[in-house]
Amino acid sequence: EAGVAQSPRYKIIEKRQSVAFWCNPISGHATLYWYQQILGQGPKLLIQFQNNGVVDDSQLPKDRFSAERLKGVDSTLKIQPAKLEDSAVYLCASSLDYQPGRYEQYFGPGTRLTVT
Amino acid sequence: GEDVEQSLFLSVREGDSSVINCTYTDSSSTYLYWYKQEPGAGLQLLTYIFSNMDMKQDQRLTVLLNKKDKHLSLRIADTQTGDSAIYFCAERPSYGQNFVFGPGTRLSVLP
Repeated sequence: EAGVAQSPRYKIIEKRQSVAFWCNPISGHATLYWYQQILGQGPKLLIQFQNNGVVDDSQLPKDRFSAERLKGVDSTLKIQPAKLEDSAVYLCASSLDYQPGRYEQYFGPGTRLTVT
Repeated sequence: GEDVEQSLFLSVREGDSSVINCTYTDSSSTYLYWYKQEPGAGLQLLTYIFSNMDMKQDQRLTVLLNKKDKHLSLRIADTQTGDSAIYFCAERPSYGQNFVFGPGTRLSVLP
């Protein structure tokens, strides 16, 4: 079974530029998550989709971050404009459903973003 | 609010047991998790425990939960060099709420 795919793996941009990340979840997984992991910290949830609808985006900085999952499969996360503090690893995860304890989250390898 | 704390580093000798500790603040947490992250990789779920359990054992892994003290631990028996990684404790405060991760404990296994 193929895992969660993410691209690109690495990205370096200057502040005020825009950037987009792509995620392809495991086939059949209804729930998709985007996390931000700053160096030395645990992952922080940015947004959670159930199929193509948003379940939770309470920690997404909506003035600069946006995400979509139009057909309920692939997802993109965009930052525009980027700030220095956005430097982090952006992790995508998916699960069959989001009920606690029953459905494991499978994580992709992440995209390491460096903003200079 | 929710907060999860862990010590940042742990070193053990190969073959010894490792114990990684975690404290959490939300008493309504119903599920607590341990994840492993190897360099350059995403997180891998190791195990989870329901709040009505005190202990869960899975091969070399033993999870202990002290609800009164809000303390969770992960014991790895016969630690191997392949166990070197960052281990994250995470809580899920209540149904439908999302995970809150600790900062991670970097486990180094010395030969």
